[in-house]
Amino acid sequence: DAKTTQPNSMESNEEEPVHLPCNHSTISGTDYIHWYRQLPSQGPEYVIHGLTSNVNNRMASLAIAEDRKSSTLILHRATLRDAAVYYCIRLNAGGTSYGKLTFGQGTILTVHP
Amino acid sequence: NAGVMQNPRHLVRRRGQEARLRCSPMKGHSHVYWYRQLPEEGLKFMVYLQKENIIDESGMPKERFSAEFPKEGPSILRIQQVVRGDSAAYFCASSQTGPVTTNEKLFFGSGTQLSVL
Repeated sequence: DAKTTQPNSMESNEEEPVHLPCNHSTISGTDYIHWYRQLPSQGPEYVIHGLTSNVNNRMASLAIAEDRKSSTLILHRATLRDAAVYYCIRLNAGGTSYGKLTFGQGTILTVHP
Repeated sequence: NAGVMQNPRHLVRRRGQEARLRCSPMKGHSHVYWYRQLPEEGLKFMVYLQKENIIDESGMPKERFSAEFPKEGPSILRIQQVVRGDSAAYFCASSQTGPVTTNEKLFFGSGTQLSVL
């Protein structure tokens, strides 16, 4: 089961940090955590991914719990352009997933000016 | 370097007509995936293709839907005899190598919004 659990929605103010949680309590040792986001009327966009260690890139940071049962996507300074649906996805590293990303309902992030 | 290009952006069809959706992957990408997003639902995988081959069509409806990715030209998702329930946003994605592995990511197009009257 590739299920992850995320809050339906979150709100933030512009220029404040945002922490988007994701639970994946049944994660296996070879599952990576990928995050995508979907802006209104656009296709999904890759954000970040990781396995065990915390990861940083120009868009965001990913903090993965020590037991790997949860993770948090961190947007350090939210902008209005960050308003989107954020998807947390488990991806097996064994290569059998092809591009079959399993998108849940995601978290709708609203950013207030 | 252009991204994944989908056209048309919007497509209106009457019930019973055919819909053809086109997808040009990113330059250098030979793996294409199609996803569908029904109203108020999440994105669902439909089909995975490499050049001239269908690798996985487990998410594709058994009837009326087909996909191809010819040696030359874009990938085509074809829906015959459309019904109102086919109204959805159809997204194409591409990757440089496949299957998607730990360091691989999908690049999505902006989608085609199909409306069936």
